Amino acid sequence: NAGVTQTPKFRILKIGQSMTLQCAQDMNHNYMYWYRQDPGMGLKLIYYSVGAGITDKGEVPNGYNVSRSTTEDFPLRLELAAPSQTSVYFCASSIRDRDYNEQFFGPGTRLTVL
Amino acid sequence: QKEVEQDPGPLSVPEGAIVSLNCTYSNSAFQYFMWYRQYSRKGPELLMYTYSSGNKEDGRFTAQVDKSSKYISLFIRDSQPSDSATYLCAMSAGSGGYNKLIFGAGTRLAVHP
Repeated sequence: NAGVTQTPKFRILKIGQSMTLQCAQDMNHNYMYWYRQDPGMGLKLIYYSVGAGITDKGEVPNGYNVSRSTTEDFPLRLELAAPSQTSVYFCASSIRDRDYNEQFFGPGTRLTVL
Repeated sequence: QKEVEQDPGPLSVPEGAIVSLNCTYSNSAFQYFMWYRQYSRKGPELLMYTYSSGNKEDGRFTAQVDKSSKYISLFIRDSQPSDSATYLCAMSAGSGGYNKLIFGAGTRLAVHP
């Protein structure tokens, strides 16, 4: 199993550009998540999905969009990139019906908006 | 007030030291307490989890939860340079279905030879 994979690893965007961060998991997990991690701020939940076709906002959803057409894939779309979106983005997945919600993380995408 | 507070450090200790990492929280509904370890430029991975109050030991690592004080700790005995990482506490209320995890800011630990 590859686990959770993310592409690209690094990206530099100009203000106003758009891009899609890709995330895929091969563990047949129902739940998937997108977080951003800023220095000293921990992980902030952007969006999550409890299954194909079902998504919901997390703590910091503004400026982002998601879709979940399959169990495996959960892309994150940035429209009109802003410097405040400079961050490291992590995708994660977890199995349903496990109370302690162990989340498996991808290696992250480092995004800089200039 | 943040739901979960964690001192970001950094914490620098010599090899072999006992390390204590801590988090406090405000939500009394939290039942599941986790510690994730994150190596530089990697994603976090689950190190240990504890349900409700009490201790849990796994090799050199011990997790403690004191729900009456809303305080959790991770102890690392005989610390090694390979333990150098950021340690994030995380908590959830449990009860099945989707359980939102709330993360602390993470404490950066450096163990020097």
